[in-house]
Parts: sequence; structure tokens; C-alpha cells
Amino acid sequence: AQSVSQHNHHVILSEAASLELGCNYSYGGTVNLFWYVQYPGQHLQLLLKYFSGDPLVKGIKGFEAEFIKSKFSFNLRKPSVQWSDTAEYFCAVNDYNQGGKLIFGQGTELSVKP
Amino acid sequence: DVKVTQSSRYLVKRTGEKVFLECVQDMDHENMFWYRQDPGLGLRLIYFSYDVKMKEKGDIPEGYSVSREKKERFSLILESASTNQTSMYLCASSPPYGQGEYFGPGTRLTVT
Repeated sequence: AQSVSQHNHHVILSEAASLELGCNYSYGGTVNLFWYVQYPGQHLQLLLKYFSGDPLVKGIKGFEAEFIKSKFSFNLRKPSVQWSDTAEYFCAVNDYNQGGKLIFGQGTELSVKP
Repeated sequence: DVKVTQSSRYLVKRTGEKVFLECVQDMDHENMFWYRQDPGLGLRLIYFSYDVKMKEKGDIPEGYSVSREKKERFSLILESASTNQTSMYLCASSPPYGQGEYFGPGTRLTVT
């Protein structure tokens, strides 16, 4: 079955630093890819998604992610983080072979120091 | 905007009690899901439903059951709550074909 790995459990950055959070899924085929964010005390929100087309996807709040099919990866990036980006970030994959449900990674907690 | 609402934000129950968690979505989505979220474990799927009166087990269904009598409502039932079911429970809904899920605010359940 499909699985998703997020390599960083907790990332601590200073404001203005660049961010890259890793996400890999276990095998290929037709997949849809997502990044969700959960700000402290708030519900999970969709940050960005990839279905097809340009592998560089832009989302809300200056985030982007690049789908690299050969590496089964969908890493999240932001050139300059802000204190308000402090949150937990979840990568998720929908595999057409597994219907409409998402498979989530374990999450990465991002702490941005002012 | 899609709205997914959950009946309670915080709930405290005693061991052995029967617990009902309710979820309602207003976008006529076919798919609905129940997850639990625990630190370091991410989101784990408990049950999901693709249609009214239809249910499928997720990754951790033991100790839980669900009910979907109407398209907009999906209930999670803990038949006999135990302390290891203390967790954050998230409901989600989605249109078909894996277009992404919309989440409710969550219910933090504490079983004492």
C-alpha cells in the first residue's frame, strides 16, 4: 500500500530563513499530491495541491512545492519564512488505486523564531 | 466555502461510556472521513464512507464504529470508551476522485 514519509519531524528556523520540507511517497502510478497546514489551535487547511501539468505548484502565503516524479517526491518550499508560518505541515498523497482517501505523512512541526 | 462542522470542540468522558461524535458537511460531498490525530503519529484513518449507509474500515477501526444515515452527516461511535482513545478526532469530507479533503475543527476527546 502507498505510504508517505516526511523526513523532518521538527524544524526550527529564524525569520527570513529559507524552508524546505521533504516528502516522499512509496511508489508511482497516478497520484494527486497535497500539502496541508495546521496553525496552532486551528483546523487543517489545504496549502497547495498537484494533480497534473506544471510540476512546480504555487500555493497560499508564498509556499510552493515541486513534484519530481522520478524521485517520488513533493517537497514544500518557501524562500523566506515568517513567525506566522509556525505550524504543523502534513504531506498527503491520493493514489487512484486506493480510491478517494488520502494517505498522510507523520507531519513536520515548524517553529519560526522571531 | 466548504464547511465541515463537528458537534463538540472538547469532550470529557469516563471509561466505558458510549461516545458519539457528530460531523456535518454542507457541500453535498460524497466522501466523508474520520481520523484521529496524535503527536508524532500524524493523521490515522479510522473509517470512511463513499455514500449513504456505506462504510469502509480505515487503518485503525478497532474500538470504533460509524453511521451515515444522511449524505451530509457522518457519526463516529466509541462503543465503550477507553483511555487510549484520548485523542483529537478530525472529520473531513471530499468530492469524488481524490480532489482533496476539507477538514472540520476537530474534537479533543479526553477519556478518564
